Amino acid sequence: NAGVTQTPKFQVLKTGQSMTLQCAQDMNHNSMYWYRQDPGMGLRLIYYSASEGTTDKGEVPNGYNVSRLNKREFSLRLESAAPSQTSVYFCASSDRTTYEQYFGPGTRLTVT
Amino acid sequence: GNSVTQMEGPVTLSEEAFLTINCTYTATGYPSLFWYVQYPGEGLQLLLKATKADDKGSNKGFEATYRKETTSFHLEKGSVQVSDSAVYFCALSFIGGFKTIFGAGTRLFVKA
Repeated sequence: NAGVTQTPKFQVLKTGQSMTLQCAQDMNHNSMYWYRQDPGMGLRLIYYSASEGTTDKGEVPNGYNVSRLNKREFSLRLESAAPSQTSVYFCASSDRTTYEQYFGPGTRLTVT
Repeated sequence: GNSVTQMEGPVTLSEEAFLTINCTYTATGYPSLFWYVQYPGEGLQLLLKATKADDKGSNKGFEATYRKETTSFHLEKGSVQVSDSAVYFCALSFIGGFKTIFGAGTRLFVKA
């Protein structure tokens, strides 16, 4: 049982480049989330998907897009990376009955 | 609005000391309350939870009691170990809601 997996683990981009962060869960959860974590800022919600086929903005959606590809997969895309997007990105999924969140190991992204 | 406030860190303790990390919340309604822990280089993982007033969550020697009258969910451990060094997040969510609201996190250092 892998839980929540994320790829890649590390990435360095130049300003203006694009990339997609991949996330998959094998727990049959309906809801999935993307967060960013910056020093002293705690966790901030970027986008979430309450169920397959729906996506909604969180606190800090600007500069990002998401796709809920199917029930298992939820990807985050940076179309034109900026240094302000240097952060650690976490994907999570949650159980609809307990509302516990399960996190992936994170992607450490640096934009130069 | 709904929010979670945690004591600022870092908290530095010697091994076997008593730990308290304060958490208070503001919420309309009756949320479920959680403590998550993040070890260095990893994603968050659920430590314990409580779903109604006066419930006590416990795990790995940690405890927290849901206090509706003081809107608090303080985390305690009687004797900390070096391996407890991590960042601790208090959080709340609502039945029927899709988002979890996280506190800013409290970093704990335990010295041998």
